[in-house]
Amino acid sequence: KQEVTQIPAALSVPEGENLVLNCSFTDSAIYNLQWFRQDPGKGLTSLLLIQSSQREQTSGRLNASLDKSSGRSTLYIAASQPGDSATYLCALTGGGNKLTFGTGTQLKVEL
Amino acid sequence: EAGVAQSPRYKIIEKRQSVAFWCNPISGHATLYWYQQILGQGPKLLIQFQNNGVVDDSQLPKDRFSAERLKGVDSTLKIQPAKLEDSAVYLCASSPDQRETQYFGPGTRLLVL
Repeated sequence: KQEVTQIPAALSVPEGENLVLNCSFTDSAIYNLQWFRQDPGKGLTSLLLIQSSQREQTSGRLNASLDKSSGRSTLYIAASQPGDSATYLCALTGGGNKLTFGTGTQLKVEL
Repeated sequence: EAGVAQSPRYKIIEKRQSVAFWCNPISGHATLYWYQQILGQGPKLLIQFQNNGVVDDSQLPKDRFSAERLKGVDSTLKIQPAKLEDSAVYLCASSPDQRETQYFGPGTRLLVL
């Protein structure tokens, strides 16, 4: 059974700081990995999707990497802004095409 | 392009009552998902449809939960009877096909008293 862990559970940083969110998983037999953002009271927004054959994806100030051999993915946010405050979830598509989510990292970017 | 629509947005019921949630996916999306997200946890897949067929319902508590996707478009999720532990946000998502990016609706927040 796939287990997905996200560390830290919560993070508070000053505006402008670069930061890294971590996601680890136990089963490397995955099709892809996604990073989502969830704002309070709202649904999830997909930020980046990395196919299993890829090593990283970039979108604006976001960069996600994938290392299947070590069972890890990181989401790098450059020059953080207060608008980046949200909960960030990683999710993996594995056997049976099922998406398994981590518990998330709650990010707060302070002025 | 219109996103995934869900209704109602909020629902408060007493235990042992029944409740139903509705989802309208993005037009043309073949795959539809229902997730349950308990406070402080990540979403858990309840059921996945491919067109109007069920692909995965292994984590759906079938003694009280049911779902259908008639004509391969809209879907409803029903709970009967509800328990206190069913209090959660129920998220609907759709994707063009399996293994592709999923687009989520705003969710329905259920409180069972």
